[in-house]
Amino acid sequence: GESVGLHLPTLSVQEGDNSIINCAYSNSASDYFIWYKQESGKGPQFIIDIRSNMDKRQGQRVTVLLNKTVKHLSLQIAATQPGDSAVYFCAENVNSGGSNYKLTFGKGTLLTVNP
Amino acid sequence: SAVISQKPSRDICQRGTSLTIQCQVDSQVTMMFWYRQQPGQSLTLIATANQGSEATYESGFVIDKFPISRPNLTFSTLTVSNMSPEDSSIYLCSVDGTTGGETQYFGPGTRLLVL
Repeated sequence: GESVGLHLPTLSVQEGDNSIINCAYSNSASDYFIWYKQESGKGPQFIIDIRSNMDKRQGQRVTVLLNKTVKHLSLQIAATQPGDSAVYFCAENVNSGGSNYKLTFGKGTLLTVNP
Repeated sequence: SAVISQKPSRDICQRGTSLTIQCQVDSQVTMMFWYRQQPGQSLTLIATANQGSEATYESGFVIDKFPISRPNLTFSTLTVSNMSPEDSSIYLCSVDGTTGGETQYFGPGTRLLVL
């Protein structure tokens, strides 16, 4: 299997609990943020995004919170399930004008859900 | 979102050889991106590939080592040239959303091991 998780921060939760995954970003000019989920052996999967003019956005069982003052992003997963076990990455985009979009990824967090 | 496929899904190669990775999308997209994900690490952007122009490489990546083609709006290739064991990684292609913009969707990745 993959060794993706060996060097990553880890979070272990019980099935049914809520999970909170945190991310600090560095560029105050970043105006768009995405959370991705990467399961072992697969590519990153889009979960939810948020723009810098918002501080909260909700999806199905997931909520993203953005605190621009301290440059902090969090992903909350409600009623965590075993299928949520994966590595989670935050990514930020700085719009440098025109269509020159480029994402910078955080280190990632390995979420393990215990039955 | 677009359906993205990559070939090969994995390969084991000898040092000094080259490998070309293909990325195919089921719809036309403006921007395609190539990333490297080293074992246990996050994603690092190699280059951005737009049709009709040369790829734009990130700091630390050069065209001689990672030549890229983008012959049309649904296809791109990345070649890893003169490989060494340090090139052992997952190589991922991504595309922008079909309506354009900052969101990126990823292929399943190509797992490369160089001996």
